[in-house]
Amino acid sequence: QSALTQPRSVSGSPGQSVTIPCTGTSSDIGSYNFVSWYQQHPGKAPKLIIYAVNTRPSGVPDRFSGSKSGNTASLTISGLQAEDEADYYCCSYAGTYTPYLFGIGTTVTVL
Amino acid sequence: EAQLVQSRVEVKKPGESLRISCKDSGYSFSNYWFGWVRQMPGKGLEWMALISAANSDTRYSPSFRGRVTMSVDTSTSTAYLQWNSLEASDTAMYFCARRPSVTGSPFESWGQGTLVTVSS
Repeated sequence: QSALTQPRSVSGSPGQSVTIPCTGTSSDIGSYNFVSWYQQHPGKAPKLIIYAVNTRPSGVPDRFSGSKSGNTASLTISGLQAEDEADYYCCSYAGTYTPYLFGIGTTVTVL
Repeated sequence: EAQLVQSRVEVKKPGESLRISCKDSGYSFSNYWFGWVRQMPGKGLEWMALISAANSDTRYSPSFRGRVTMSVDTSTSTAYLQWNSLEASDTAMYFCARRPSVTGSPFESWGQGTLVTVSS
């Protein structure tokens, strides 16, 4: 199964909103509401910021939000801040034998 | 808060074997599934394997099946990833991660990563 498709990079100015789309297929994103998003700063481990399409773990700022339509999930960062500059990966459940299918990753740059 | 502690750096030669570890310092080790995720230099995340700490039920990504073996030791609350014969292309950062037993759960906790370098 191929990796989920994400843009390689997106950018925005502080305070702006950016949206990262994540496109899969009817076998993964389109079939399950098990989409999660991870944030990774350089040299650090990934951190879970969204799960079950649109749920934020405790401690994650509410400027991070998730959604899904058909085979595409999206992460929106509202009110962009300097510390949001990082790589972001989507991830979808794709069945018992492919429980994790990651996207290729998107680098968010704060201008 | 759960903490996953990994062995930090491994330097090996092609053909050698290796086992890297991930110790869970939290509670109720057997209530969770543990996974390994590879990140090659400058590249994205790739799921490799997943194991139930309760019964060692294991799933492998087709890309890694036959190349690695994942196991757990409940007496020490540790998950392992093993190679029998390393290749230069195994050079990467390897993260362990933990998730609840419910199907579809995300990886909630991550280790700090083990950097594996394979070079002659």
